[in-house]
Amino acid sequence: EAGVTQFPSHSVIEKGQTVTLRCDPISGHDNLYWYRRVMGKEIKFLLHFVKESKQDESGMPNNRFLAERTGGTYSTLKVQPAELEDSGVYFCASSQRSYEQYFGPGTRLTVT
Amino acid sequence: GQNIDQPTEMTATEGAIVQINCTYQTSGFNGLFWYQQHAGEAPTFLSYNVLDGLEEKGRFSSFLSRSKGYSYLLLKELQMKDSASYLCAVWGNNNDMRFGAGTRLTVKP
Repeated sequence: EAGVTQFPSHSVIEKGQTVTLRCDPISGHDNLYWYRRVMGKEIKFLLHFVKESKQDESGMPNNRFLAERTGGTYSTLKVQPAELEDSGVYFCASSQRSYEQYFGPGTRLTVT
Repeated sequence: GQNIDQPTEMTATEGAIVQINCTYQTSGFNGLFWYQQHAGEAPTFLSYNVLDGLEEKGRFSSFLSRSKGYSYLLLKELQMKDSASYLCAVWGNNNDMRFGAGTRLTVKP
């Protein structure tokens, strides 16, 4: 069974540019989560999808971040325009049962 | 406020037993998780506790006391490959997961 995949693995962009991160969950997992780990800080929850619906987006830092999950399969997280403080590792996780989340390898975003 | 506290670093010897503590104060509680994360890799699920008591899974055990807001992860028969960060996370209200900063465990020969 394929695990959670994320693309790209690394992204280096300039301040003000736009970046779109993609997450493909494990097939059949209705729950999809986005997290972020900024350098030196703990992993922080961003939002939770159940199928294509946003269950909770209380962790999204501001309106420069937009997450979508059209069709309830893969999800994208767009940052527009990117700021320096957006640098970090963005993790996606999926689960069928809410308590056992499988994490993807993460996308390391560097904003210069 | 909401806090999840765990020690920053721990060191133990190969073959020994180590206990990593986690205390939490969160709005709502639907379960506590332990994850293992090797440097540069994704967190991997270790355990889940929602009721008080000890859950054992091979060399790893996790304990929860909801009244005390306390959990620990116990690792037995330590191996060098157990050197990693161990993350305590609480599943609170609104279905969000809050993570502690992680405990970096170093296992020495």
